[in-house]
Parts: sequence; C-alpha cells; structure tokens
Amino acid sequence: EVQLVESGGGLVQPGGSLRLSCAASGFTFNNYWMSWVRQAPGQGPEWVANIKQDGSEKYSVDSVKGRFTISRDNAKKSLYLQMNSLRAEDTAIYYCARGRNMEVWGQGTTVTVSS
Amino acid sequence: DVVMTQSPLSLPVTLGQPASISCRSSQSLVYSDGNTYLNWFQQRPGQSPRRLVNKVSNRDSGVPDKFSGSGSGTDFTLKISRVEAEDVGVYYCMQGTHWPPYTFGQGTKLEIK
Repeated sequence: EVQLVESGGGLVQPGGSLRLSCAASGFTFNNYWMSWVRQAPGQGPEWVANIKQDGSEKYSVDSVKGRFTISRDNAKKSLYLQMNSLRAEDTAIYYCARGRNMEVWGQGTTVTVSS
Repeated sequence: DVVMTQSPLSLPVTLGQPASISCRSSQSLVYSDGNTYLNWFQQRPGQSPRRLVNKVSNRDSGVPDKFSGSGSGTDFTLKISRVEAEDVGVYYCMQGTHWPPYTFGQGTKLEIK
C-alpha cells in the first residue's frame, strides 16, 4: 500500500524554524518527483515546493523562496521541508504528495505560527 | 501565474441527481508534449485531498466511474452522474502545465440538498 506519513509540525513563534519530514512506503521512492502542499485554515490547497527524483531540480512558490528548503534522502525514502523565518501566514496543514501532479497525498502535519 | 476559476462555489444537490462543476483557466493548459495537465481533487470533511482525475479525463485508480472529466484548452468540467452521501466535500481543479507554481481553483463545496 502506498503511504506517505508527515511529521514535525507544531506551534512555533514568528521568526522561528521547523523541519517537516515525510516518510514514504509502498512504492519506489526514487522514481518520483515529490511535493509539499499546504492548506491554511478554511482555504484551498497551495503548492509550496517540489523536488526531482535525484534532488537536482527544486522549485518553490515565491512566498517561501529564501525561507523554505525542500530536500530528500532516497536511501531513507524521506522528504523534508526546512522552514525558517516563519510567519503567521505560514500557518497551515502541510501535506507531502507524490508526483508532479500530486497523485497521492499524506494525512498532513499542522504548523501553527503564533506568539 | 495561471488563474483557475471554478463555478459554482457552492453546489447543493439532491441524492441520486447529477452534479457538474466548471473550471476555467486564464490560459490554455495544453503543454508542448500535447498533454493537458488538468487535475481534479476531492476533499471530504476532515480528510486530505484525493486526486480523482488527471489529464482532463483519466480517472485515477479506484475512482468510481460516476466521476467523469471533460474539456479542452481553458474550459473543463467534472461531472458526477448520481450524487451519493459520500460525495459531500470540496472539489478542486488544479493545473500542472504552467508550473511553477501549480495553481488550484477556489474549490466547489458539494452538499446534499
């Protein structure tokens, strides 16, 4: 069974940092692009970043450029999102998703940025 | 960025009746490889989004055939042939042609009348 399990969310003060992880199982992880997508309370999904199979290409939405870094460890079948300089508007559920067109999603991890 | 516009935003439907959701993009979604990367997602209350349809009309594995996608260029439609209680939720279209960034529609909330 294909599974994506996110972790690492929590409550953080503005300006703080968090590192999200996504553990993949049930498929050949290094065959797929992987994405992070977030959903603020009561809002629709927003694509955040994605990364190519070998990590050689990375893309992100303008609002997180210079603050968030996507990475992966194919040996550990894991995807990461390092989030620095967090702002209140980064508060959301963060999902990892498989593929360039997000065919499978995890259950999400909640990030709350508040003082 | 490509803007995706859905209508209606709220869709009350009687059980057993059909439903239709429209999605329009601000520019053509035909990619240079000839494919059109228009996807539809369902998000049931309290759950993660689930992809239903990819490349306009291809149902994902396990998706019932009551769901069908159609369209071309900038105009797309998701149809549900007979609405059941389990179909309640929010439906999003998303384009994967002109990225980054990928962009989603505002969502259509389907409820039972």
